[in-house]
Amino acid sequence: SQQGEEDPQALSIQEGENATMNCSYKTSINNLQWYRQNSGRGLVHLILIRSNEREKHSGRLRVTLDTSKKSSSLLITASRAADTASYFCALGGADGLTFGKGTHLIIQP
Amino acid sequence: EAGVAQSPRYKIIEKRQSVAFWCNPISGHATLYWYQQILGQGPKLLIQFQNNGVVDDSQLPKDRFSAERLKGVDSTLKIQPAKLEDSAVYLCASSLIAGEDQPQHFGDGTRLSIL
Repeated sequence: SQQGEEDPQALSIQEGENATMNCSYKTSINNLQWYRQNSGRGLVHLILIRSNEREKHSGRLRVTLDTSKKSSSLLITASRAADTASYFCALGGADGLTFGKGTHLIIQP
Repeated sequence: EAGVAQSPRYKIIEKRQSVAFWCNPISGHATLYWYQQILGQGPKLLIQFQNNGVVDDSQLPKDRFSAERLKGVDSTLKIQPAKLEDSAVYLCASSLIAGEDQPQHFGDGTRLSIL
């Protein structure tokens, strides 16, 4: 089963700035989900985007999906200290849901 | 709504010993998952249950790992005997129904250290 590849592996920005992380994959998918994991905690579902959708919003989150480039991006606007966490993309396909290795985001005060 | 409950939160054992983890999913969730998350990596699915039946256990090392969900609610995951490479966080998740487009709700996991 394929695994999404997040980029960058780690990202450090100042509070108030926007954070963008990307997920690339190799074969077709039915949908893609993004999850957040705070240190020592479980994963929290953020947003799902289906293969026939190009963009979705949820609060300060914006997710895009480009199936021609086989990539997705997660934008967090006006970052806060509480956004410090690891972010994972999860690919939904014939093999179920598979997670990438994640992007570790640090928001500097 | 109460979240997914897992226990214990931490466990330290020596190699070749056995260990068991417990999970109580969100009430009414038919699908239950066990994941292994090694430090610095994403979760890897070990086993998926639909009610009390196994849907997918293709990545479960069956010579040492076993899992059950007898009454379609709580589940236990066991490792016997443990190896050093089993050091990881074991996450339980549940979803209302099965499907790769279903949001999964995770517990906070059990952190297992093998000495």
